[in-house]
Amino acid sequence: EVQLVQSGAEVKKPGESLKISCKGSGYSFSSYWIAWVRQMPGKDLEWLGIIFPRDSETRYSPSFQGRVTFSADKSTNTAYLQWRSLKASDTAIYYCARLTVVRAPLDYWGQGTLVTVSS
Amino acid sequence: DIVMTQSPDSLAVSLGERATINCKSSQSVLFKSNNKNSLAWYQQKPGQPPKLLIFWASIRDSGVPDRFSGSGSGTDFTLTISSLQAEDVALYYCQQYYTTPATFGQGTRLDIK
Repeated sequence: EVQLVQSGAEVKKPGESLKISCKGSGYSFSSYWIAWVRQMPGKDLEWLGIIFPRDSETRYSPSFQGRVTFSADKSTNTAYLQWRSLKASDTAIYYCARLTVVRAPLDYWGQGTLVTVSS
Repeated sequence: DIVMTQSPDSLAVSLGERATINCKSSQSVLFKSNNKNSLAWYQQKPGQPPKLLIFWASIRDSGVPDRFSGSGSGTDFTLTISSLQAEDVALYYCQQYYTTPATFGQGTRLDIK
């Protein structure tokens, strides 16, 4: 069974750094892209970008380029989303999801990680 | 970026009746290499992640009931639920994956009348 299991909820202060994770199982993790999607409270879904764990190739949405960093560890089947300096406007649920190729639907999703940034 | 616009923002339908949600893209999402439209539909229930219902505009994902169907081409697409069940109450999103960044519609909330 394909599963993406994300790390738990986080509460941070503005300016702090954060790294959240997404662990895949039940499939060949290195052979599928992982997307990161943001959902602000009561709001739309936003595509941050994607990473290919086999070689860590990344594609960032221009709206998020420079604000977040994707990484992946093939040895642990885990993808990561990282911020160097959080802002209150980063408060949202962040989902990871799997896709077969760059231009493909998101066929399996993680349960989401709630990130709250507040002073 | 391709802008995806859904209509209506919300609708209420009686149990057993048909529900129709529309999605319009700001440019064609027809993928010429396979002549398929790069359009997906997702269902999101409260407290859950989105779930893929339909891809390539009209192909149901594995396990999705056949009361869900997708249609359309180019820039105009429709998700139809032929006979609404109580468990279909949810938010529904369309998404284009024709180009990056992939973009989603603003969502349509479906309730029981």
